[in-house]
Amino acid sequence: EPEVTQTPSHQVTQMGQEVILRCVPISNHLYFYWYRQILGQKVEFLVSFYNNEISEKSEIFDDQFSVERPDGSNFTLKIRSTKLEDSAMYFCASSDGGHGTPFFGSGTQLSVL
Amino acid sequence: AQSVTQPDIHITVSEGASLELRCNYSYGATPYLFWYVQSPGQGLQLLLKYFSGDTLVQGIKGFEAEFKRSQSSFNLRKPSVHWSDAAEYFCAVEAGGYNKLIFGAGTRLAVHP
Repeated sequence: EPEVTQTPSHQVTQMGQEVILRCVPISNHLYFYWYRQILGQKVEFLVSFYNNEISEKSEIFDDQFSVERPDGSNFTLKIRSTKLEDSAMYFCASSDGGHGTPFFGSGTQLSVL
Repeated sequence: AQSVTQPDIHITVSEGASLELRCNYSYGATPYLFWYVQSPGQGLQLLLKYFSGDTLVQGIKGFEAEFKRSQSSFNLRKPSVHWSDAAEYFCAVEAGGYNKLIFGAGTRLAVHP
């Protein structure tokens, strides 16, 4: 069964460092997303991406964040200068569009020290 | 604004007992509704979804959910819980275009033998 793959599963970084979280969406999907879940809190929408551009972003997704689809298979989330409050589980998701069902990866646990 | 409320933060049931997890949504148009499950250390797995049609929706692992427009609810049920059902359950509503999801806070289910 097709699945969304995220790497790494855990990432530890120092405050102020740049991190790149990687995702391989399901191959025939057209819409891509990043969500995050701070420990003990709700899963929050960060950004959606379609046709090689951001289609919607939340207030959380400020200038420190960027997304990219560098090739035909990968979808990345970059945090330019990490802060302590960026520590969270980051989920990538993809869907085939319209009102398709978003399928989620297993997440990357980011710890900022 | 769209929102999802899961009134029960934590529920404990005995193995073999029936289960109902509550979900209320706030959304102006016809909602697209989802239930996801998150086992410890795992990603979000889709249990079931409601887009239109029959208001009783069947999902994986023996779960079902009923959409009640008059009550703005989409409660998840299972007639007989198994120990492996212990996990966190999230209700979500699609908010606007591009399949962006708004999640509830989640209900953590514990199962006693």
